[in-house]
Amino acid sequence: QKEVEQNSGPLSVPEGAIASLNCTYSDRGSQSFFWYRQYSGKSPELIMFIYSNGDKEDGRFTAQLNKASQYVSLLIRDSQPSDSATYLCAVNKPGGYNKLIFGAGTRLAVHP
Amino acid sequence: SAVISQKPSRDICQRGTSLTIQCQVDSQVTMMFWYRQQPGQSLTLIATANQGSEATYESGFVIDKFPISRPNLTFSTLTVSNMSPEDSSIYLCSASDSQETQYFGPGTRLLVL
Repeated sequence: QKEVEQNSGPLSVPEGAIASLNCTYSDRGSQSFFWYRQYSGKSPELIMFIYSNGDKEDGRFTAQLNKASQYVSLLIRDSQPSDSATYLCAVNKPGGYNKLIFGAGTRLAVHP
Repeated sequence: SAVISQKPSRDICQRGTSLTIQCQVDSQVTMMFWYRQQPGQSLTLIATANQGSEATYESGFVIDKFPISRPNLTFSTLTVSNMSPEDSSIYLCSASDSQETQYFGPGTRLLVL
């Protein structure tokens, strides 16, 4: 079992729709969860951080965390073609300050 | 957010040689890390660069192959030693000053022939 699992996609959504990206993790000791966006040929860009169960909203983005189910998700409302990128879920290694374990990433394609 | 720069941005090297990558942060940060992103894959943590002491390496990475320095709170280097084609990758440094943030540099694209 991989430590952080994501569906590789591609996830294709029409412009204006809600894109839902999912991530599961294996270590219950993980406390911090990150979503990064990576455009082709670029470095990862931090979108959101979450550490409490529930939802956290920032603009068009909502991160959801369910520690009991070991599940993290990212919702992107009103998806735009510029949101087309690979979305990386990252989880901290228990006991390691911000040592991150990354999932393989989900490729999102937003079509006009 | 911290602004991170890396040098060189890319390089082509011959096998058996070494390359040192520099990472500069525009402000003092608590933690700096080095990651590798192999073609078509996600990021893998190589090591934590500790200021004033030896780096902490993750499983599968050793100091002889990837020596790291961190002389102060804004600067770190990663050396890729005795390179082989399998070392061809993007090497990224990151900086973190709190539990809630970790920002990445632009990366160094390395091709080993």
